Amino acid sequence: QLVESGGGVVRTGDSLRLSCAASGFAFQKFGIHWVRQTPDRGLEWVAFIRSDGDWEKYADSVKGRFTISRDNSKNSLYLLMNNLRTDDTAMYFCAKGSPFGTPVGSDAYDVWGQGTRVIVSS
Amino acid sequence: DVVLTQSPLSLPVPLGQPASISCRSTQSLVYSDGNTYLNWFHQRPGQSPRRLIYKISIRDSGVPDRFSGTGSGTDFTLKISRVEAEDVGVYYCMQATHWPWTFGQGTSVEIK
Repeated sequence: QLVESGGGVVRTGDSLRLSCAASGFAFQKFGIHWVRQTPDRGLEWVAFIRSDGDWEKYADSVKGRFTISRDNSKNSLYLLMNNLRTDDTAMYFCAKGSPFGTPVGSDAYDVWGQGTRVIVSS
Repeated sequence: DVVLTQSPLSLPVPLGQPASISCRSTQSLVYSDGNTYLNWFHQRPGQSPRRLIYKISIRDSGVPDRFSGTGSGTDFTLKISRVEAEDVGVYYCMQATHWPWTFGQGTSVEIK
């Protein structure tokens, strides 16, 4: 199970930190992703972090502004979002990735959180 | 980026009838290991997406066998052999072969 939190209403240029608490699986063995969804743009992959935390990838639209991190001792994933823009407004989901040692895309997104909503107003 | 184009975008289907959704990619989705990381998801209003099928055709646990996935390379299809009321919602294809991972725009299935 994955449970997101931390969403809210902020102004452009503000920062926000999302969290994702994992349970029911060996969190430290799996990569984890952030995915967002808007009515206009649909589902959009945002960021990925490997199980050991040593490899990250970002969508071009958030690179340099968002930072993904994890604390395996707390079974938790985070997304620090800086310099927020109105087009960052979305529902943000964390989604379970593939196990370490397997291709990153081999068995991803079998578990999703319920999402946390971020609204950025100007 | 890989663009996934789904068709149709809206699919009204009578109960008990078959449904088919196409997903076409702008690039081959065959990964360097020979596998094709093309997934299908179902999303009901107010819920998060649920994975139905991964690697083109492997059904997730608990997914009814009326759902099937086929295809190769750049062309993929999700079929529902007999649509039931619980199947309404939006269906998405998604590729996990090339970064950034991308989703199709979604196909809305409704009961006719």
